[in-house]
Amino acid sequence: DTAVSQTPKYLVTQMGNDKSIKCEQNLGHDTMYWYKQDSKKFLKIMFSYNNKELIINETVPNRFSPKSPDKAHLNLHINSLELGDSAVYFCASSQDEVNEQFFGPGTRLTVL
Amino acid sequence: GENVEQHPSTLSVQEGDSAVIKCTYSDSASNYFPWYKQELGKRPQLIIDIRSNVGEKKDQRIAVTLNKTAKHFSLHITETQPEDSAVYFCAARGYDMRFGAGTRLTVKP
Repeated sequence: DTAVSQTPKYLVTQMGNDKSIKCEQNLGHDTMYWYKQDSKKFLKIMFSYNNKELIINETVPNRFSPKSPDKAHLNLHINSLELGDSAVYFCASSQDEVNEQFFGPGTRLTVL
Repeated sequence: GENVEQHPSTLSVQEGDSAVIKCTYSDSASNYFPWYKQELGKRPQLIIDIRSNVGEKKDQRIAVTLNKTAKHFSLHITETQPEDSAVYFCAARGYDMRFGAGTRLTVKP
């Protein structure tokens, strides 16, 4: 009974393409997040989102955009992919901003 | 925004010894400080957290201390075991959640 799921698990694509990663949580949480983890294991928040507010990390390029069709889903769209976008992307959710975050299994994105 | 510094970046201990990882933060408004463990190829998972109204919290072999005046908090693992080997991340919640750079802990049997 997966709490936070992501698809796909692996994504290999060419530079310049547009791709999406899907995230779903069945915990009834109000807040969802996207993180990027690079090859050095740095874990950086990209977005946090609840039904009221989207908080964007100022370092995230506008080629990245989160889209939330409903409270249980927060998908990540990436336009014009670049080599430097290669990383593992984690989705997470929490009841609110000051409680435990539950992470998804991660999506390893490789841009060739 | 919040800035979280974590030290050391790598830590190697003998099984049974203690391990200590330290973090500092910059935003005095930060009020929630979780610690996550990430095993190789796996997702980060919460192991312990502490809130700004508490100075210390313990859960079996794991403890966290918080010094709000100095803006630092630490993770203590006692009687380390090989299965404690992983990357550990501290984090601080101010305007948003910021993670430290991680500490790769290796416990040698």
